Order: sequence, then structure tokens, then C-alpha cells
Amino acid sequence: EADIYQTPRYLVIGTGKKITLECSQTMGHDKMYWYQQDPGMELHLIHYSYGVNSTEKGDLSSESTVSRIRTEHFPLTLESARPSHTSQYLCASSEYKGQAVHSGANVLTFGAGSRLTVL
Amino acid sequence: EDKVVQSPLSLVVHEGDTVTLNCSYEVTNFRSLLWYKQEKKAPTFLFMLTSSGIEKKSGRLSSILDKKELSSILNITATQTGDSAIYLCASNSGTYKYIFGTGTRLKVLA
Repeated sequence: EADIYQTPRYLVIGTGKKITLECSQTMGHDKMYWYQQDPGMELHLIHYSYGVNSTEKGDLSSESTVSRIRTEHFPLTLESARPSHTSQYLCASSEYKGQAVHSGANVLTFGAGSRLTVL
Repeated sequence: EDKVVQSPLSLVVHEGDTVTLNCSYEVTNFRSLLWYKQEKKAPTFLFMLTSSGIEKKSGRLSSILDKKELSSILNITATQTGDSAIYLCASNSGTYKYIFGTGTRLKVLA
């Protein structure tokens, strides 16, 4: 049973529209992430957050923005969607605790994904 | 540049077969290696490996890490059609740094 929820699961919109992909988790995890995944390609990190009011850009350049006003909520916004934004967006969270590598705290828990198509 | 490479890219087998999926990594500050199964929804966690040579097992699935060879394998015995999925391998090398491979697409035929 997933404890991290993404909406919408599927979205088809026209170029120039503003969209927000929602992500919420009920596990109290500090760390949250947004990944972009294209068919046959690796997951690429586009944004991450260590906690409330903390957001950073990931390795893959993205025109999207994120916010983290509450621990459980990490929405991603595209101000003006373009066909190049067509992709699957995966939200994830983890409870990284310093050096506690063996505790399982570094395990990413994923949401079901939001598949975005921009026409 | 850090990278994770998985092989084969795709695999078709029949029910009952045993498969071995490979993952090699080149990352700085390696901490752990993770395996996920992805069907048409969220990637679901399978294993996290941190120590070389210690096999992790869950039912018909098992995995082991070889830090000397910078690699890991995922074994699935007595495959079933429900094992059909993309299997993702990722290395963790820091607080937020997870490098994913492209995945191995496994199809199990009845």
C-alpha cells in the first residue's frame, strides 16, 4: 500500500498551460524528490528537498519549480508547458539519517507517477 | 561522471526459468546499491545492499553485491508471469544522490 500519492496520474494539456503536479506522503519523511523518467531512459533527479522551506535543483536541468511549505507536501509546477516537457514524473521520499546507511533509511519510496503529455 | 549500467536491456523467458540481471556501477563515495521493480506504477523496493558478499533473499528473489567488481546481480528463480516488469538498479552515494540505470525489461511468457 503506497504511502506517497501523486495526482494527477495522467494529464494531457496544450502548450502554454500552467500545471501543478501534486505529491504527498504520510510517512513523515524529511527528504523528498522529483524524478523525470522517459521510456528506456534512466530516472533523472530534477528537484529535491531536505525539509520544510528547503528546495534544491537536481542534476537534470528543468524549467519546473517546487515548493515545500509542509513536510508532507512537495508540489511541482510548470508555468508554461511545452511539448518537450512530455514525460513521466516520479515523486519519492526518504528518511535519510546521517550515517545510518544500514538502517534502511536511505531507501527511496516512490509514488505511482504522473504521466504528462503536452500537445 | 558517476554511472550505473544494467544488462541485459531486455530479456524474454518462459515461466519456470531462472534469470540473472546485472548491475555495474562507477560512483564516488558509494554507500549502497538498491534494486527496484517497476510495473505500470510506482517502482517498488526490493533490496538494499551495503556489504560485499552477503546475499539478500526474499522468496524467489535474491541479490548480492561485489564491491571489488563494482557490481551486483539480481536472481529470480522459477519465474512467473507476475515477475514481468522493469528492474531498476540504483547507487546511493550521499544524502540525495541516487544514480539509476536504464533498467532491465523482463518479460515472462506463460
